[in-house]
Amino acid sequence: DSGVTQTPKHLITATGQRVTLRCSPRSGDLSVYWYQQSLDQGLQFLIQYYNGEERAKGNILERFSAQQFPDLHSELNLSSLELGDSALYFCASSVVDGAYGYTFGSGTRLTVV
Amino acid sequence: DQQVKQNSPSLSVQEGRISILNCDYTNSMFDYFLWYKKYPAEGPTFLISISSIKDKNEDGRFTVFLNKSAKHLSLHIVPSQPGDSAVYFCAASGTGAGSYQLTFGKGTKLSVIP
Repeated sequence: DSGVTQTPKHLITATGQRVTLRCSPRSGDLSVYWYQQSLDQGLQFLIQYYNGEERAKGNILERFSAQQFPDLHSELNLSSLELGDSALYFCASSVVDGAYGYTFGSGTRLTVV
Repeated sequence: DQQVKQNSPSLSVQEGRISILNCDYTNSMFDYFLWYKKYPAEGPTFLISISSIKDKNEDGRFTVFLNKSAKHLSLHIVPSQPGDSAVYFCAASGTGAGSYQLTFGKGTKLSVIP
């Protein structure tokens, strides 16, 4: 157990739907990162939050949004889902902004049918 | 455009021998490099890192080498053990960009044969 908790582990939904992925960072970690891993792809950075504020944005689609709450957990919202959104979504956390070697959760596998 | 490339999707090595995993990058702004290991159904786990001011970093059986002029890094595992069988991701970051997001390669699947 890495200390980063992601729920749910698996999610199957239909095209056009909206889902929310949840991440609880490791205790004491202020930064949360979201990554997407599609089939045969490396992990793609989506977005980073630090202590409740958006810190950096990657190639995140406009249909996707995220937030970090006062208790530091984070949610990634995916809407108007398409087949191509099927992927593993990883959350990672680190103690401070800019800390390397952050800790990943075990991921949420999203399947859009 | 892939800025971090791991050209070998898979690698098989005999137990006890050396495993060498390679990674190339194209972005000159990258100044910190990391290796992650990933087992099935788990998230990536940080393994070892190296700053661009160094050319070698060692941690037990794991050594990372960085050749900045060639924009190439490699991970050496000596001796290889069956428990090392996993997917290894190379990642890079450029602090000059003001963000500590990581750019990952597609990974190399290492199989250590007993």
